[in-house]
Amino acid sequence: GAVVSQHPSWVICKSGTSVKIECRSLDFQATTMFWYRQFPKQSLMLMATSNEGSKATYEQGVEKDKFLINHASLTLSTLTVTSAHPEDSSFYICSARDPLSVWGTQYFGPGTRLTVL
Amino acid sequence: GESVGLHLPTLSVQEGDNSIINCAYSNSASDYFIWYKQESGKGPQFIIDIRSNMDKRQGQRVTVLLNKTVKHLSLQIAATQPGDSAVYFCAETPRRNTPLVFGKGTRLSVIA
Repeated sequence: GAVVSQHPSWVICKSGTSVKIECRSLDFQATTMFWYRQFPKQSLMLMATSNEGSKATYEQGVEKDKFLINHASLTLSTLTVTSAHPEDSSFYICSARDPLSVWGTQYFGPGTRLTVL
Repeated sequence: GESVGLHLPTLSVQEGDNSIINCAYSNSASDYFIWYKQESGKGPQFIIDIRSNMDKRQGQRVTVLLNKTVKHLSLQIAATQPGDSAVYFCAETPRRNTPLVFGKGTRLSVIA
């Protein structure tokens, strides 16, 4: 299957700072990537759909000014958590849609553990 | 609203036995289904998928069954191994290019 990477794998930051998370598709070009967050023992919650060259589409209840998404190239999408607070601590996972898959199968990155102190 | 859910939140099986993980979906328009495996601290890993025009699909040691009449999906793992211990999610989408909707997940524990 297609390979998706994320960086960093974990990050600890102070409250009020901003954190950038990168998501890369390594062996294919992804016009569409997705960002999820996952709390312990819960399922994945879709935050936004990231489209290359256009604005991201945010799910209801997700603050677009707090979670900035940039999809500047066909292999890279970034999520910036601005003015992070302890309640933003979570596991953030990105996925990329495989363009060769008839139904656009999504492949996931390994996730980024964010801890805000 | 429409959602994908699971019947069993936890499942314990003996090593070597077969595992069956179930998933119910409510969106009758769902057309594409995927099973993912998520190990602790990692991202979901694609296992197998199935389209609504099929009722069964087999992979290596895994089989997905789809019953559209009762809107039920299952994942069967043959000869379960300790490495199969993880949380398994079903996900569905009604059409291409729409985001996946994830179920709540089932934790599979394999007893050696």
